[in-house]
Amino acid sequence: AQSVTQLGSHVSVSEGALVLLRCNYSSSVPPYLFWYVQYPNQGLQLLLKYTSAATLVKGINGFEAEFKKSETSFHLTKPSAHMSDAAEYFCAVSRGSGGYQKVTFGIGTKLQVIP
Amino acid sequence: DGGITQSPKYLFRKEGQNVTLSCEQNLNHDAMYWYRQDPGQGLRLIYYSQIVNDFQKGDIAEGYSVSREKKESFPLTVTSAQKNPTAFYLCASRTDSYNSPLHFGNGTRLTVT
Repeated sequence: AQSVTQLGSHVSVSEGALVLLRCNYSSSVPPYLFWYVQYPNQGLQLLLKYTSAATLVKGINGFEAEFKKSETSFHLTKPSAHMSDAAEYFCAVSRGSGGYQKVTFGIGTKLQVIP
Repeated sequence: DGGITQSPKYLFRKEGQNVTLSCEQNLNHDAMYWYRQDPGQGLRLIYYSQIVNDFQKGDIAEGYSVSREKKESFPLTVTSAQKNPTAFYLCASRTDSYNSPLHFGNGTRLTVT
């Protein structure tokens, strides 16, 4: 079964500092991985997705993620945090079973940006 | 603009009553999903459907029911059998492909007292 683990349910960074949100996946086959962002009382928005075309994936709002098969990781980074980045971030994996396709999410990481 | 509409935004019910949450999409997506979100638990899959008139139980289907009579609509009923129904419910859709992302509605916050 494929799943994702997000390390750190809360992360605090100073404005302008590097953002690093961790995600590890468990999979016996190359996975389809996604990062989403959620602002309070809203649905989730796609930040970026990995689909095996390139290991470094660039997304919206200056975020990027690197797929590392040797570490089974897909960590999300941004060089310089902005106040508007404060939100909850979810890593997700798309998996199939018997012809049906599920999308499973990690528990989420709340990012706090300190002025 | 295409998107997913969930209604209502806030819903209040008394314990023991069934309640139906609406989800409509005009993205022409085949697959639709219902998730439940609780603080510290991420999103947990309740039900999903890949085509009309077919749906599958997710990881926490007990106490919930769905129907998929039209491609555009995937309503979720929270029954009185659901032990802890108060939560934020999210509907999503995508094309029928492993690598396509989910598109989400803005959610319905259900409070049962």
